[in-house]
Formats: sequence, C-alpha cells, structure tokens
Amino acid sequence: DTGVSQNPRHKITKRGQNVTFRCDPISEHNRLYWYRQTLGQGPEFLTYFQNEAQLEKSRLLSDRFSAERPKGSFSTLEIQRTEQGDSAMYLCASSLPQASNEKLFFGSGTQLSVL
Amino acid sequence: SQQGEEDPQALSIQEGENATMNCSYKTSINNLQWYRQNSGRGLVHLILIRSNEREKHSGRLRVTLDTSKKSSSLLITASRAADTASYFCATDRAGNQFYFGTGTSLTVIP
Repeated sequence: DTGVSQNPRHKITKRGQNVTFRCDPISEHNRLYWYRQTLGQGPEFLTYFQNEAQLEKSRLLSDRFSAERPKGSFSTLEIQRTEQGDSAMYLCASSLPQASNEKLFFGSGTQLSVL
Repeated sequence: SQQGEEDPQALSIQEGENATMNCSYKTSINNLQWYRQNSGRGLVHLILIRSNEREKHSGRLRVTLDTSKKSSSLLITASRAADTASYFCATDRAGNQFYFGTGTSLTVIP
C-alpha cells in the first residue's frame, strides 16, 4: 500500500439516512485527519487522531458526526440523519510528524451527495 | 474557519509562462505548506517552508515567506498544461490543526 485509501469514492443518500466512510492511512502514519471540502473552497478541518486518541474536534463537527479510529489504524467517519448541507467531499489525510516537518498525505476523498 | 486566503482566486496563463500565486494568513505559524489538487482528487503536498526560512526551491517551484507580512508566494516557472490544478496554502498552529486557504485555480493553456 503506497497511499491513503478512502471508501467509498462516491456516496449518494437520501436526507435523513446515516452514512459511514472509511479511511485507511499509510501504515506507519500515526496521525489521521478528516477534512470537509465544498466546491470552490479549501479543505476545512473536522477532527484528527493521534494513534487511537481523538485529540481535537472542530466546532463544524456537530453531534450528528462521529469519528473513530479504534485500533490506531483505519478510521471511520459517520454522519447520522444526513442533511443536504452535508453534501461535500470528505477528505482523509495521514502523517508521520517529524520536528517542524509534518506533511499531510491525502486520499482521493469520498464525495457525498445528499438528496 | 479558514486561516489563509489565496490570491488570485483564478489565474489563466499560456504554457511556458510563469505563474505566481499569493497566500496571506492571520496568526503566527510553525511552517507553511503548499498543496496541489487536481479536479475531484485529494491534495498533494508540494513544498514546505519553515517560519525561519525566507525562500525555498524545489524543481520549478519557488516559495517565499514573509512572516512580518504574514504572507507567502508560490512561483511556478515555465508552466505546463499538466500544472493546471488548484493550489492551496496551509498553515499549522499549536494544536496540530492544518488550516487551508481558499485556493487559486490555475489554468495553463497549451
């Protein structure tokens, strides 16, 4: 495995349904980030993990959103009771921080469309 | 909220010309990075410049950083059609969040 893998690539759902996305980071990376990106905008930080610990959550992450990284490897992002405003690209990134030199490696994203 | 703002929002140039895009940010940083994103794909890291550096080169890329003005610029020399993409600056702060700007959409016309 040479990169960050996200599944599914596309998800179409009806408003009110729950959806779950998966991210498999680069295997030796201990940090994992979730971002959300809407058309014409830059990625917005949602949350990040150091190993299995969720260390920070954005205020953008309402109580309908939950993320886990149970064994410090893959992560899931669940959105409950989806709303049309949740439609966006959800990006996962991983990193192996070195002193003042942390670089993010992104997956290709999951494009969510809420009808 | 997003930390950075790129300027211009969109840039269209002829192949072979140089492309310059700018990034301004709001708070003190540890380092600043530039990323590239092709349509519908994830971001790819291009170059990192630390807060104590003023200029850095990587191939056809040249990045400058002015911490007194809280700004950075990315220069792509001798542009190619394959450079067509969106370019984002990202800054980090204590707390390990990376904040991305709004991006510059670059179109290189063959």
